[in-house]
Amino acid sequence: GNSVTQMEGPVTLSEEAFLTINCTYTATGYPSLFWYVQYPGEGLQLLLKATKADDKGSNKGFEATYRKETTSFHLEKGSVQVSDSAVYFCALSAAGGTSYGKLTFGQGTILTVHP
Amino acid sequence: GAGVSQTPSNKVTEKGKYVELRCDPISGHTALYWYRQSLGQGPEFLIYFQGTGAADDSGLPNDRFFAVRPEGSVSTLKIQRTERGDSAVYLCASSPGTSGRNEQFFGPGTRLTVL
Repeated sequence: GNSVTQMEGPVTLSEEAFLTINCTYTATGYPSLFWYVQYPGEGLQLLLKATKADDKGSNKGFEATYRKETTSFHLEKGSVQVSDSAVYFCALSAAGGTSYGKLTFGQGTILTVHP
Repeated sequence: GAGVSQTPSNKVTEKGKYVELRCDPISGHTALYWYRQSLGQGPEFLIYFQGTGAADDSGLPNDRFFAVRPEGSVSTLKIQRTERGDSAVYLCASSPGTSGRNEQFFGPGTRLTVL
């Protein structure tokens, strides 16, 4: 079946540091890939997505590139801010068939950014 | 416009009791999903509705769980004979279509605690 594996956390960084959160997946065909973020006290919201190989999703300074050859979708940001402190989830939606867009999530990575 | 809403935000019940959790999706969204999120884990798929019908209920853990969407809008997740292991945050999401490329919009969740 489909699965998503995220790097184990939590991750603690100083403001302006470089961020990488690793995500790898297992799926047949060409899934769509997502990063969702959950800020303290808020619901899950989409951060970025990529729907085909070599696509780069980007938003709010975050980027992730869909790498079919390594089945990865690592999240990066060049300079994190305190306001980026949140839980980040990598997810996939399987292509076609009877998936109907249902999401398979990784376990989440807690990011804490200190001033 | 209004986002996805869920009620109640918190529900505490005793083992063996029956509970109902409600989800009000974004107006016009035809696809509705229920997920369950245990502490420290990513959300796990429970059931998907397209319109009024449950197109995929493969994630429901057992026959104590049931969900309906009688008019193709509001959905109710029903849990009979609750057990302590049912304690989790139950998330609802809606989407304008069933393509795996579509963003899903999440509600704030209902935190269920079974004593």
